[in-house]
Amino acid sequence: DVKVTQSSRYLVKRTGEKVFLECVQDMDHENMFWYRQDPGLGLRLIYFSYDVKMKEKGDIPEGYSVSREKKERFSLILESASTNQTSMYLCASRKNFAGQPQHFGDGTRLSIL
Amino acid sequence: QKEVEQDPGPLSVPEGAIVSLNCTYSNSAFQYFMWYRQYSRKGPELLMYTYSSGNKEDGRFTAQVDKSSKYISLFIRDSQPSDSATYLCATLNAGNNRKLIWGLGTSLAVNP
Repeated sequence: DVKVTQSSRYLVKRTGEKVFLECVQDMDHENMFWYRQDPGLGLRLIYFSYDVKMKEKGDIPEGYSVSREKKERFSLILESASTNQTSMYLCASRKNFAGQPQHFGDGTRLSIL
Repeated sequence: QKEVEQDPGPLSVPEGAIVSLNCTYSNSAFQYFMWYRQYSRKGPELLMYTYSSGNKEDGRFTAQVDKSSKYISLFIRDSQPSDSATYLCATLNAGNNRKLIWGLGTSLAVNP
């Protein structure tokens, strides 16, 4: 079974802090994704990485950056956290073959005070 | 218009009922179709995955795709309280098959 592990289930930070969210997958997947999920807005793609050191902006990249130094690990960085970044953050990975589905971690619920 | 439309519900049914969850999509280039189930405070888990038009069955779950009308459905037979969750449909474009296009999800409650 695919396992995607997010480092924290719940996180509370203050505005202006630099925040790191970590995600690790154990299935040698090439592609990794960061989403945020908000009521009424569904899943929105922030960034994705199709391979090590490769990244591409998703639909809502503003205020975020990412890092993929190793194949199994994909980090999301909030450069200067703001209250409108309070959300559920979900990491996913997939094998880079046509039509392959994504597999998700259990999410990090981040609160910015 | 969103590329994938899904009625958010909430949908409430008695235990044992047959549940029908539906999505419509606008782009005929969408070729792969998925249903995910998401329990409260958990990540989405892949439930069903189909490529072609027609039906795919897995236990109490049946996924149906009608490409001519751009309509996808998930049927749950003999629904159980443990099926209470949010169900998300998603699709992939054959030409850009890394990014999933998501519905907003339908919240389902199965009452004992």
